[in-house]
Amino acid sequence: QSVLTQPPSVSGAPGQRVTISCTGSSSNIGARYDVHWYQQLPGTAPKVLIFGNNNRPSGVPDRFSGSKSGTSASLAITGLQTEDEADYYCQSYDNSLNAWVFGGGTKLTVL
Amino acid sequence: EVQLVESGGGLVQPGGSLRLSCAASGFTFRSYEMNWVRQSPRTGLEWVSYIGRSTSDIYYADSVRGRFTISRDNAKNSLFLQMNSLRAEDTAVYYCARGSRDGWELRFDNWGQGILVTVSS
Repeated sequence: QSVLTQPPSVSGAPGQRVTISCTGSSSNIGARYDVHWYQQLPGTAPKVLIFGNNNRPSGVPDRFSGSKSGTSASLAITGLQTEDEADYYCQSYDNSLNAWVFGGGTKLTVL
Repeated sequence: EVQLVESGGGLVQPGGSLRLSCAASGFTFRSYEMNWVRQSPRTGLEWVSYIGRSTSDIYYADSVRGRFTISRDNAKNSLFLQMNSLRAEDTAVYYCARGSRDGWELRFDNWGQGILVTVSS
């Protein structure tokens, strides 16, 4: 069981908006540690999608955005495209485990 | 272009050892913190170990502490993971991952293609 909790799956039609939640606790997200998001396309390594809660690396479309509040964070994807089908992971630091931690991952299906 | 290429994986019996290597190129290796992250269907993505730029800072996940040893050779742009007393639950794809901060908490901004380690009799 992952320290950060994500829904196993979400889905949406092309053009729609979806959000993926990442729920932590007072020892990670709630302790004000940054949240980063990764996209993992089938058969490839994870890639940074959002860093520092709401920042996009160059090359990442502005359809992707992040937010954080309290002990949770969210990834929003607007204008869904078929190429967005992937697994998405949140990541932060946990000061009780003294470890960098990941969510269990969310599989996005574009219907 | 940043490149991280892992090698050294394979099939090993429980209790055995393996040494993973990661060859880095396309950036100033000695200036970056480096990590090993693994992924399995059972545990998902799991951070395994961290090493600072000068090797003075080294951290391990509880699940591998005392069995795994991370090291680096800045002269050869290489990262290593010595894995001893391997268990079935260590079976995973192991990624070499570069760490970046830029004023934020550590993130893994570049990953290798991954190498499969299978622990089975």
